[in-house]
Amino acid sequence: GAGVSQSPRYKVTKRGQDVTLRCDPISSHATLYWYQQALGQGPEFLTYFNYEAQPDKSGLPSDRFSAERPEGSISTLTIQRTEQRDSAMYRCASSLAKGPTNEQFFGPGTRLTVL
Amino acid sequence: LAKTTQPISMDSYEGQEVNITCSHNNIATNDYITWYQQFPSQGPRFIIQGYKTKVTNEVASLFIPADRKSSTLSLPRVSLSDTAVYYCLVGEPYNDMRFGAGTRLTVKP
Repeated sequence: GAGVSQSPRYKVTKRGQDVTLRCDPISSHATLYWYQQALGQGPEFLTYFNYEAQPDKSGLPSDRFSAERPEGSISTLTIQRTEQRDSAMYRCASSLAKGPTNEQFFGPGTRLTVL
Repeated sequence: LAKTTQPISMDSYEGQEVNITCSHNNIATNDYITWYQQFPSQGPRFIIQGYKTKVTNEVASLFIPADRKSSTLSLPRVSLSDTAVYYCLVGEPYNDMRFGAGTRLTVKP
């Protein structure tokens, strides 16, 4: 696609519910990143993928958080049993596997609100 | 991963050159230095990346001394639209790179 897209753009859920966020990266990009960004803070790294491999998920805050990229393109981030502290902007970015720089292209984000 | 330290905020005026310095004392041999810009309600946008010496593109310059323990992003002749948060990242390309708290630049008329 022309850019990174994320859906939904806004999600309001009740505490204890599961949510799944979707990221559609730029089609030629092998690497995909997930970040959590609280208001007024910098993006916090959650995890990343090289194609379908997930080399680092050390940033996932708890085992309630998981991410998949089964076919090396679209990725989902699932938060189980949501808590109010999970409320944040969730950003996805993608980059080429190789190139002069590994510039990350960010999507518009999903604003999650847990009531 | 190398830890980065940068000023929390800076003020400038239109037309001035702005230099934002980032400290990264424990930078590793394979690490690159990357800067991103973020406007409110938008995702970060790549500005520039370098390994050593000086890198220049159409929007900024990046100065990296020989010991690579710091770097300086230089924005020439800033305008009001350059008001944003600027992040310095240090890490190995194509692996994870961690954002810090960033520097909030305010450009005044």
